Amino acid sequence: AQSVTQLGSHVSVSEGALVLLRCNYSSSVPPYLFWYVQYPNQGLQLLLKYTSAATLVKGINGFEAEFKKSETSFHLTKPSAHMSDAAEYFCAVAPSGGSYIPTFGRGTSLIVHP
Amino acid sequence: KAGVTQTPRYLIKTRGQQVTLSCSPISGHRSVSWYQQTPGQGLQFLFEYFSETQRNKGNFPGRFSGRQFSNSRSEMNVSTLELGDSALYLCACKSAGGGTDTQYFGPGTRLTVL
Repeated sequence: AQSVTQLGSHVSVSEGALVLLRCNYSSSVPPYLFWYVQYPNQGLQLLLKYTSAATLVKGINGFEAEFKKSETSFHLTKPSAHMSDAAEYFCAVAPSGGSYIPTFGRGTSLIVHP
Repeated sequence: KAGVTQTPRYLIKTRGQQVTLSCSPISGHRSVSWYQQTPGQGLQFLFEYFSETQRNKGNFPGRFSGRQFSNSRSEMNVSTLELGDSALYLCACKSAGGGTDTQYFGPGTRLTVL
């Protein structure tokens, strides 16, 4: 069984400020972890993924996430927010074997103020 | 390369009707998954098809069904529509269906049931 908790349905930051979106997971097997972004009226786009290689994962658009097994966390960060980062962000966990079907968190809406 | 195509993009139906949604994956991608996205339940997995066979199935009633054709295009059907079926239906494809493969999402079909 697996589950994902995204802390905070909305996160508001100023342009240029640090972005931190929190994700905690539970999984009965070693997990694969993903962050996706969804812009209005669009599908999800993969930002980055952890598949048991390096624990610090760099993705597109300047985002990165660190897998911390001891904390069962996979928080998403970006040093400096841009207005274009405003979107819905989803964390997902999938088992590293078997079906590979991901379970998604409820999403965090990132609001960027000028 | 062309992305994932979903048709139609918007659909309005009434209760009791049935609906068929279509998904054309990226060329060469043989795994197609369907998800339902609602504000209340978030993203929920419906089913996955791989090489014309249903490989995984989520926890949805039998009114939800799907199929995949030899060219990997997939359709999902919902019979006897209910108000609660109003949602964004997303399809996603992967090249071979492995856990580390990147999943590419289409823009979705917005279904409204009146």
